[in-house]
Amino acid sequence: QQPVQSPQAVILREGEDAVINCSSSKALYSVHWYRQKHGEAPVFLMILLKGGEQMRHEKISASFNEKKQQSSLYLTASQLSYSGTYFCGTGQPYDSWGKLQFGAGTQVVVTP
Amino acid sequence: GAGVSQSPRYKVTKRGQDVALRCDPISGHVSLYWYRQALGQGPEFLTYFNYEAQQDKSGLPNDRFSAERPEGSISTLTIQRTEQRDSAMYRCASSLGWGSQETQYFGPGTRLLVL
Repeated sequence: QQPVQSPQAVILREGEDAVINCSSSKALYSVHWYRQKHGEAPVFLMILLKGGEQMRHEKISASFNEKKQQSSLYLTASQLSYSGTYFCGTGQPYDSWGKLQFGAGTQVVVTP
Repeated sequence: GAGVSQSPRYKVTKRGQDVALRCDPISGHVSLYWYRQALGQGPEFLTYFNYEAQQDKSGLPNDRFSAERPEGSISTLTIQRTEQRDSAMYRCASSLGWGSQETQYFGPGTRLLVL
C-alpha cells in the first residue's frame, strides 16, 4: 500500500528549515528517500532500515520511527539546490523482498 | 561508471501498436525494477527481477504488459496493443543486491505517448 506523504508542498526561504513526513499503514522494514528535479530521474538521498540509525546527507537528515510506521526528512538551513520533489519509498518486511511503494511526493521550493 | 540507461528516451506510437522499452542496468547489478511514473506522482511499481528470474509482477496493470530479462542483464518491458491510458514515463532502476535494504538507482526513463 502506498505511503502517505505530508505536506504536499512547501515553500521556503533560503536558510529555513522544513520537515517532510512519510507514513505507512503497514509495518516497515526500510524507508528510502529520493529527490527529483523537473525532467530528471529520482536521485537517491538515503535509506533508513529497521533498527538502524538516523541518516544524513549533507544538511538533510532523516529518522525512522518503527513503532509509528513513519519516517521524517529534515531539511536544515535549506539551500536553493534543495528545490525539487521529495519521494519516500517503503519496503515492508512481509512483502515481496525488494519491492518499494512510493508516496505521491512533496514539492519543495526554496526561494532566495 | 555508467548509470542505468534506457532506450528509447521518447516513443510516440499509435493506439493498438506494440512497443518494447529497453533497460540496461548498472554493470554487475543483480536486481532490476520497472516503474511507471505519472506526471506529478511517485513511481508506481510494476515488476522486478533478481538475475533473470522475475520475482514479482503484481504491479503490471494487465496482461498486455510483460517483461523479461533473459540473461540477467538487459531487460525489456513490452506493451502490446497500446492504449492511450498507457501514456506515461516508464522508469527502470537497478540495485547491486536484492532486498528492500538495497539502494535503487533510477534511469532517465522512456516517455511513452500513445496517440
